[in-house]
Amino acid sequence: KAGVTQTPRYLIKTRGQQVTLSCSPISGHRSVSWYQQTPGQGLQFLFEYFSETQRNKGNFPGRFSGRQFSNSRSEMNVSTLELGDSALYLCASSIDRSRNYGYTFGSGTRLTVV
Amino acid sequence: AQSVTQLGSHVSVSEGALVLLRCNYSSSVPPYLFWYVQYPNQGLQLLLKYTSAATLVKGINGFEAEFKKSETSFHLTKPSAHMSDAAEYFCAVTPNQAGTALIFGKGTTLSVSS
Repeated sequence: KAGVTQTPRYLIKTRGQQVTLSCSPISGHRSVSWYQQTPGQGLQFLFEYFSETQRNKGNFPGRFSGRQFSNSRSEMNVSTLELGDSALYLCASSIDRSRNYGYTFGSGTRLTVV
Repeated sequence: AQSVTQLGSHVSVSEGALVLLRCNYSSSVPPYLFWYVQYPNQGLQLLLKYTSAATLVKGINGFEAEFKKSETSFHLTKPSAHMSDAAEYFCAVTPNQAGTALIFGKGTTLSVSS
């Protein structure tokens, strides 16, 4: 059974550019969440998508956005990149919005902004 | 508001010794609690979860945790440490309502010496 797949694994961007990260959840999982991990702030929730709709959002500026497709694959976009956006971005999938199943994480995309 | 505090950012043990990683939570509603492990350059792997059933939860790789409501704690233990247990461990909470936003602690790095 394939796990959560995140692409690309590594990315280097220049300040001011925009970036799109992709997440393919486990087959049959319909909920996808995104997290940002940095040494200073730790793991922080970005947003959650279920049935192509954003259901929950963390405390991040509007430069961070996402979407989910009909096949449950999700993308997140960061516009006007800042140096502080350098982080490991993790995607997690779950069968549905119930917490009973737990969340399976991908290996992440490491974004470096220079 | 929900929060998680992990006591000790770094714990060192000898191989074969008891592992104890501490986690205290704050929640205004009955929580669901999780322990995740992260190896270098990888995503998060679920060790175990508490979902209001049995208070003693057994997980993978010989880990277990006990939910103590009176102490608002969910400490992770393993009777005998292996070298392969060296990693970073995260405790997380999610409120007992719809949504998949995990609130993580700052993490504890476990070192195991021979």
